[in-house]
Amino acid sequence: DQQVKQNSPSLSVQEGRISILNCDYTNSMFDYFLWYKKYPAEGPTFLISISSIKDKNEDGRFTVFLNKSAKHLSLHIVPSQPGDSAVYFCAASDSGNTPLVFGKGTRLSVIA
Amino acid sequence: DTGVSQDPRHKITKRGQNVTFRCDPISEHNRLYWYRQTLGQGPEFLTYFQNEAQLEKSRLLSDRFSAERPKGSFSTLEIQRTEQGDSAMYLCASSPGTVRWGNQPQHFGDGTRLSIL
Repeated sequence: DQQVKQNSPSLSVQEGRISILNCDYTNSMFDYFLWYKKYPAEGPTFLISISSIKDKNEDGRFTVFLNKSAKHLSLHIVPSQPGDSAVYFCAASDSGNTPLVFGKGTRLSVIA
Repeated sequence: DTGVSQDPRHKITKRGQNVTFRCDPISEHNRLYWYRQTLGQGPEFLTYFQNEAQLEKSRLLSDRFSAERPKGSFSTLEIQRTEQGDSAMYLCASSPGTVRWGNQPQHFGDGTRLSIL
């Protein structure tokens, strides 16, 4: 029973365009959501997070949107750069500082 | 800026042997987490500590696995009588973990890749 789902295993985007990565969750107790980026042979690197009291959080080129009624969040990267090519994981927890539940990841390829 | 440090980075061992991994969290982080990641999957929670107290263990953590954080600083994860299914990347993460910090992200080390022959 996957509580956090990333239904797109891969995504290809042209450099300079917008990348949109999607994530759905089933557990209504989740109230803190995060995106991590992972390069091969490295651990996940924290990108951006959002608490359930907000519906949007922005940090530079990265914006996370949360739709609680749909149990859906998305990560927007604008503009996309070749260095953004990596696997992106969506994660959630039910009260911050507790174990994270991860999706299976989406591999983003940004083509120059 | 010292991040989460894990040692060793790679471990190759024969089935049936015992292995131990070490994690040094970010200084002053009270919470320390262990996750396991296999190919094509996201990290899966194994266990976590608040200082030296082990707060929760996942069903994934069979009785062959044991984790400690004796002084509330570094942690060790031991696997006894390794099996081929234990082959995975073992990730450690830490976070401040106290209420006054609110929600805080976990920061991960680069992991220990375990290969069982």
